[in-house]
Amino acid sequence: DTAVSQTPKYLVTQMGNDKSIKCEQNLGHDTMYWYKQDSKKFLKIMFSYNNKELIINETVPNRFSPKSPDKAHLNLHINSLELGDSAVYFCASSRGGSSYNSPLHFGNGTRLTVT
Amino acid sequence: AQKVTQAQTEISVVEKEDVTLDCVYETRDTTYYLFWYKQPPSGELVFLIRRNSFDEQNEISGRYSWNFQKSTSSFNFTITASQVVDSAVYFCALSEADSGNTGKLIFGQGTTLQVKP
Repeated sequence: DTAVSQTPKYLVTQMGNDKSIKCEQNLGHDTMYWYKQDSKKFLKIMFSYNNKELIINETVPNRFSPKSPDKAHLNLHINSLELGDSAVYFCASSRGGSSYNSPLHFGNGTRLTVT
Repeated sequence: AQKVTQAQTEISVVEKEDVTLDCVYETRDTTYYLFWYKQPPSGELVFLIRRNSFDEQNEISGRYSWNFQKSTSSFNFTITASQVVDSAVYFCALSEADSGNTGKLIFGQGTTLQVKP
């Protein structure tokens, strides 16, 4: 069974479109994250939710909006896509409470290509 | 300011060689955690190890070993007798506890390891 699953795996779309990436974890974790990996492989956190509450919101354009309907799901919606949004987006989860000492479990990533 | 530096962008070795991946970190917190992740060519991120700031014991897991030295703010990773399957991008990461219990990981730039047969 996949622990953290994201869909779709690949997403190719045109500039200006709106798209969503879905993420689900079956580990019973309380905290979920979105990370962005750019073309140089650099990984940076975008958002984090703990029990459906937003706890990290890094400097991300407000075209990006996370939504957590329950603690097992964290979706990412992107409006008005731009060329610079092309990247691999990783969803992750970790145990709640002292999350800093709990390893993050990552999904397999969604490769977004904006043309 | 928190920061993780992996100065080696790419390393190429021949199978069975030993290789060490360097990681230097910066933090003002006294309580923090260090991690290593592996990203093979298939793209997923695989957790390898977690170390807390109060435990400087070296750790060995099979062909993998980690050397944590607070005096030099380093957390280096050594692969002994490397194999082709070790070819991947390896990330060192830092999570600070004193700055808030958010679980946020700060990643280094990654080191691409190529092991040639």
